[in-house]
Amino acid sequence: QSVLTQPPSASGTPGQRVSISCSGSRSNIGINFVYWYQQLSGAAPKLLIQRDNQRPSGVPDRFSGAKSGTSASLAISGLRSEDEADYYCAAWDDRLSIWVFGGGTKVTVL
Amino acid sequence: EVQLVESGGGLVQPGGSLRLSCGASGFNFRSYTLHWVRQAPGKGLEFVSGISGDGGSTYLANSVKGRFTISRDNSRNTLYLQMGGLRPEDTAVYYCARHKTSDGMDVWGPGTTVTVSS
Repeated sequence: QSVLTQPPSASGTPGQRVSISCSGSRSNIGINFVYWYQQLSGAAPKLLIQRDNQRPSGVPDRFSGAKSGTSASLAISGLRSEDEADYYCAAWDDRLSIWVFGGGTKVTVL
Repeated sequence: EVQLVESGGGLVQPGGSLRLSCGASGFNFRSYTLHWVRQAPGKGLEFVSGISGDGGSTYLANSVKGRFTISRDNSRNTLYLQMGGLRPEDTAVYYCARHKTSDGMDVWGPGTTVTVSS
C-alpha cells in the first residue's frame, strides 16, 4: 500500500492528452514539492517533473505538472508511442521523514 | 559524464548479509544527498534509505530499520548500503540516486539486483 495514490493505468491514442493523478496528504504533497519520474521498460527511473511543475533540461514541453492542496497531476499532451512507460509521483513526507512514492501508473499508447 | 553505478548485488540466503556499493563520477560527490531506492519484481518504487552530503543525517524506511545501514566515503566517491537479516521480500533491483535541495533525484544508476532465496 503506497502512501501516495495513483491510478494503476491510463491510455490514449497518439496525439491525445493523458492525465495521471497523485493523491497524498498534508504531511507530504500538502507541504512539500511533488516530483514525477518516468520509467521505460527495463530502465532506471528518469526525473520528468521537479518542484511540482518544472521540467528539467531536455524534458519535452509535452509533459506538465500541477498541484492543488494534497493532490498533484501529470499531463502528457500530444501522446507519442515513446511515452509508453510507468510514471511515478514522489514527495518528501515530513511525518515519516522519508521519500514516499505513488504505486505507479502504466501509460499505454493505443 | 555524470554517472552512478551500483555493484554488489547477488543471490543470498534468508538471514544473510550483503553490501551494495554505488560509485559516482562527473560531479562534486560531497555536495549531494544520496539515496537507495528499490523495486521488487513487477512492483513500484520504494525508498529505502538516504544520507546527506556530509554523512551527518541518514534516513531509513521502517521496512529496513534495524537491518540496513547507509554510509558514504566522500574520499572514494562511493555510497554503501550494508544489508543484514535479509528476507525474501528484500528481493529487488536496488538503485542509487543523487539529490540536491529541491531538484529531485535527477541522476540514477542502472541498478543492481538482490535476490534473497534459499
